[in-house]
Amino acid sequence: NAGVTQTPKFQVLKTGQSMTLQCAQDMNHEYMSWYRQDPGMGLRLIHYSVGAGITDQGEVPNGYNVSRSTTEDFPLRLLSAAPSQTSVYFCASSVPGRSYEQYFGPGTRLTVT
Amino acid sequence: GENVEQHPSTLSVQEGDSAVIKCTYSDSASNYFPWYKQELGKRPQLIIDIRSNVGEKKDQRIAVTLNKTAKHFSLHITETQPEDSAVYFCAASKGGSYIPTFGRGTSLIVHP
Repeated sequence: NAGVTQTPKFQVLKTGQSMTLQCAQDMNHEYMSWYRQDPGMGLRLIHYSVGAGITDQGEVPNGYNVSRSTTEDFPLRLLSAAPSQTSVYFCASSVPGRSYEQYFGPGTRLTVT
Repeated sequence: GENVEQHPSTLSVQEGDSAVIKCTYSDSASNYFPWYKQELGKRPQLIIDIRSNVGEKKDQRIAVTLNKTAKHFSLHITETQPEDSAVYFCAASKGGSYIPTFGRGTSLIVHP
């Protein structure tokens, strides 16, 4: 199993550009989440999904969209990038009932200039 | 929603000393408390967790304690080693949610 994978690893955007961060998992996990990590701020939840076709907002959803058409994939879309979205983004998956553990992807480091 | 406070933000110890990181949570319905370790440039990984029906759990040099009445829990690392240097995150979640709320992290530095 590859676990949770994310692409790209690094990305530089100009203000106003849009892009999609990709996340995939091959563990058949129902729950998937997106977090952003900023210095001194911990891991803040952006959006999450409890299954295909079901998504919900987390703590910091503004400026981001998600969709979940399959169990495996959970892309995060930046609609119009802003410097405040410069961060490291982590995708995570988990399976309720068996374990509460969050399995994180390797992260995407995004810089918006 | 849940709010998790974590202290200290930075902890510097000598190799062989013990380290303690403390967290408090706000939602009395929270019942699962994991700890994640994140080495520099890597992803967070679960190192130990505790559920609300247990007061303490140990795994070799690490232990976690939970005080439900006071709504706080702590991570204890004994005989610290340089490879313990990392950022540690506490988190809290409740059954049915499974999506944890994280603390802001503690940067642990172990000096050889």
